[in-house]
Amino acid sequence: KQEVTQIPAALSVPEGENLVLNCSFTDSAIYNLQWFRQDPGKGLTSLLLIQSSQREQTSGRLNASLDKSSGRSTLYIAASQPGDSATYLCAVRQAQAGTALIFGKGTTLSVSS
Amino acid sequence: SQTIHQWPATLVQPVGSPLSLECTVEGTSNPNLYWYRQAAGRGLQLLFYSVGIGQISSEVPQNLSASRPQDRQFILSSKKLLLSDSGFYLCAWSGGGSGRRETQYFGPGTRLLVL
Repeated sequence: KQEVTQIPAALSVPEGENLVLNCSFTDSAIYNLQWFRQDPGKGLTSLLLIQSSQREQTSGRLNASLDKSSGRSTLYIAASQPGDSATYLCAVRQAQAGTALIFGKGTTLSVSS
Repeated sequence: SQTIHQWPATLVQPVGSPLSLECTVEGTSNPNLYWYRQAAGRGLQLLFYSVGIGQISSEVPQNLSASRPQDRQFILSSKKLLLSDSGFYLCAWSGGGSGRRETQYFGPGTRLLVL
């Protein structure tokens, strides 16, 4: 059974710092991996989608990498801003188990000005 | 552009009462539709998904049900709510077909509190 783990559960950094959020998954047979952002009490916003054949994806100050063989993904945020404060969720889509996304519990990021 | 709507935004219901949450998608046709629940301290859990009208797959056994009466409408229901049904319910859509390579887009969510 696929399990997705995100470390750390919470992270506080001063504005301007570069930071890395980690995601690991137990079954490497995935179709893709997606990073989301969730603001308190709100729905999810898709940030980046990495197909299983890709190594990384970039969008603005965000860069996500995928190492499928080791079951790991990282989300790199450059020059963090207070507006980046949110919970970041990692989710994988299995290759065999229908279309379900399996989520980690998230990393809650707080960026202070 | 595509948009996804959910209502109500917040709901407080007594134990044993019925439930109906609605989700609609605009700007796309034949989407895959999903219902997730996010309980306090737990990750997001897929409850139901649908690849077409009248086609519903359930991921976990529970007292909830889902229906898709129209192509872009997805409804989550219960005949009798339990305390454990409290949580944040999110509807999502992705491109049609197998949908396995597509991004999922989420609605604003409904916060349900069962007392």
